[in-house]
Amino acid sequence: GNSVTQMEGPVTLSEEAFLTINCTYTATGYPSLFWYVQYPGEGLQLLLKATKADDKGSNKGFEATYRKETTSFHLEKGSVQVSDSAVYFCALSDSWMDSSYKLIFGSGTRLLVRP
Amino acid sequence: EPEVTQTPSHQVTQMGQEVILRCVPISNHLYFYWYRQILGQKVEFLVSFYNNEISEKSEIFDDQFSVERPDGSNFTLKIRSTKLEDSAMYFCAIQQGGLQETQYFGPGTRLLVL
Repeated sequence: GNSVTQMEGPVTLSEEAFLTINCTYTATGYPSLFWYVQYPGEGLQLLLKATKADDKGSNKGFEATYRKETTSFHLEKGSVQVSDSAVYFCALSDSWMDSSYKLIFGSGTRLLVRP
Repeated sequence: EPEVTQTPSHQVTQMGQEVILRCVPISNHLYFYWYRQILGQKVEFLVSFYNNEISEKSEIFDDQFSVERPDGSNFTLKIRSTKLEDSAMYFCAIQQGGLQETQYFGPGTRLLVL
């Protein structure tokens, strides 16, 4: 079945450090891929998405490239800020075998950025 | 970005009681979803709803759960007889439709079953 695997957290970085959060997926069809962010005490917000191979999603300095050959969608940011501290979820939507466009989430990676 | 509200924001209930969680999308969308997140765990799909009927449900969504759009705007999740393990954050999501379309999440309802 479809699944998403994320690197274990927490990830602790100093401000202005480079961020990578790894995400790999398994899908039977041609999924769309998403990164959602959850700030403390809040719901899920879409950070970025990519809908086909080699697409790059970007937002607020974050980027992720849809790599079909490695089934990956790693999240990167060149210089993190304290305000980026949150939990990041990688997710996919694949209607190949499903009757809806439900999202399948990874386990989430907590990021803590220290001043 | 479409706005989605959920009520209540928090609910505490006794085991065996019925609870109704409400989702109010501000704009018209075609697809509605419920997800849940047990504390510290991943977000899990419960059910999707399209054209006034369930289009898909997960193994979690057993006979204790039901969904409906009673008045064409609110989208509700009912748990008939809550169990301790139903304690979680419940998120509603809306989507215009299509594999590439974004799902927009509400702020969630935190349910605690005692």
